[in-house]
Amino acid sequence: GIQVEQSPPDLILQEGANSTLRCNFSDSVNNLQWFHQNPWGQLINLFYIPSGTKQNGRLSATTVATERYSLLYISSSQTTDSGVYFCAVKGSSASKIIFGSGTRLSIRP
Amino acid sequence: DTEVTQTPKHLVMGMTNKKSLKCEQHMGHRAMYWYKQKAKKPPELMFVYSYEKLSINESVPSRFSPECPNSSLLNLHLHALQPEDSALYLCASSSGGTGNTIYFGEGSWLTVV
Repeated sequence: GIQVEQSPPDLILQEGANSTLRCNFSDSVNNLQWFHQNPWGQLINLFYIPSGTKQNGRLSATTVATERYSLLYISSSQTTDSGVYFCAVKGSSASKIIFGSGTRLSIRP
Repeated sequence: DTEVTQTPKHLVMGMTNKKSLKCEQHMGHRAMYWYKQKAKKPPELMFVYSYEKLSINESVPSRFSPECPNSSLLNLHLHALQPEDSALYLCASSSGGTGNTIYFGEGSWLTVV
C-alpha cells in the first residue's frame, strides 16, 4: 500500500516564526488532506489539496502530485497553532485514507 | 464547530461491561468511519460504512461491533474490551466517492479498567 512520511517529526518555534511541514507519499493520490489535531484531540480540516496551491489566512499548502509531496506553510506562528499536523492521503488505486505519522509543533510565547 | 457529533466524550468501562459510542452527522454524507488513535500515534482506520453498508473492516476484533442504523447515525458497540483498547475513538464522515473532504468529530476518550 501507499506509504506516507511526514517531516520533521517535531518542531519547536518561537511565536511569530514561520514554518514548513512536509508530506511525502509513495504513489499517485486522488485525495490529500492536511489536519491539525488540537490538544483536546479534535482533528480540524485545514486543506483538501490533492494538487495545486491553496491559502487560508496565515496557512497555505502546495501539493506537487507529479513529485509526490505536499507542503504546509504556517506564517507568523501563534501559540494556538501548537498541536500535531497530519497529512492524510488516498492512493489512486486504494480504497481508504492513510495518515502520516504527523509533525508535533510547539509554539513558545 | 464540528458538524460530526460524538457521545460520550469520555467513557470509563470495566472489562465485563457493554457500552456504545455514538456518532451523528447532518451534512447528508453517505460515508461514515470509525478510527482508533493511541497516544502519540496517527489515527488508524477501523470501519467504513458506505450508503449504510459496511464496506471496510480492517480486521478489527469482534469485541468491537459497528452499526449504522441510518445515513446520519453510526454506533460502535463495545463488549469485553481489554485495557489495551483504551484510546481516542474518532468518528468521521464524507460525502462519499474519491475526492471528498473527510470531517471528524471531537472523539470519545475510552478508558478500559
